Amino acid sequence: KQEVTQIPAALSVPEGENLVLNCSFTDSAIYNLQWFRQDPGKGLTSLLLIQSSQREQTSGRLNASLDKSSGRSTLYIAASQPGDSATYLCAVRSDSNYQLIWGAGTKLIIKP
Amino acid sequence: GAGVSQSPRYKVAKRGQDVALRCDPISGHVSLFWYQQALGQGPEFLTYFQNEAQLDKSGLPSDRFFAERPEGSVSTLKIQRTQQEDSAVYLCASSFDIHEQYFGPGTRLTVT
Repeated sequence: KQEVTQIPAALSVPEGENLVLNCSFTDSAIYNLQWFRQDPGKGLTSLLLIQSSQREQTSGRLNASLDKSSGRSTLYIAASQPGDSATYLCAVRSDSNYQLIWGAGTKLIIKP
Repeated sequence: GAGVSQSPRYKVAKRGQDVALRCDPISGHVSLFWYQQALGQGPEFLTYFQNEAQLDKSGLPSDRFFAERPEGSVSTLKIQRTQQEDSAVYLCASSFDIHEQYFGPGTRLTVT
């Protein structure tokens, strides 16, 4: 059974720092992996989607990497801003299933 | 264009009451998913529709939970005889081809 873990559960850093959020999964037979952002009282916003054949995806200050063999993905945020404060979740879709299996998220606070 | 919308955004129910949560997916999206998100956790899959057909309801926690999508567009998640453990945010997502899901803002249900 696929399990997704995100470490740390919470992170607080000063504005301007580069940071890395981690996501690990137990079954490497994945179809894709997505990183989402969740703001309080709002829905989930998809940030990056990495297909199983890809190693990384970039969007603006965000870069997500995928290492299937080790069961890991990282989300790199460059030059963090207070507006980046949110909970970041990763979700994995397995080969044989359309369901998304989610981590519990990392709550990120960027201090001005 | 319009995204996924959900109503109501907030619902307070007394234990034992029935509730109905509505999801309006993006027009033309064939797939529709319901998730339950407890506080501090990632979402958990409840059920999946392809057009009007409910193809997977394996995530529904009990027979008190019922979902429908009679015309292949709007979906309703109904919870009968609500219990305190049903308190959560209920998220709806739609997708054109199941590869990338677009989420609504969710309905926060509080059972008192």
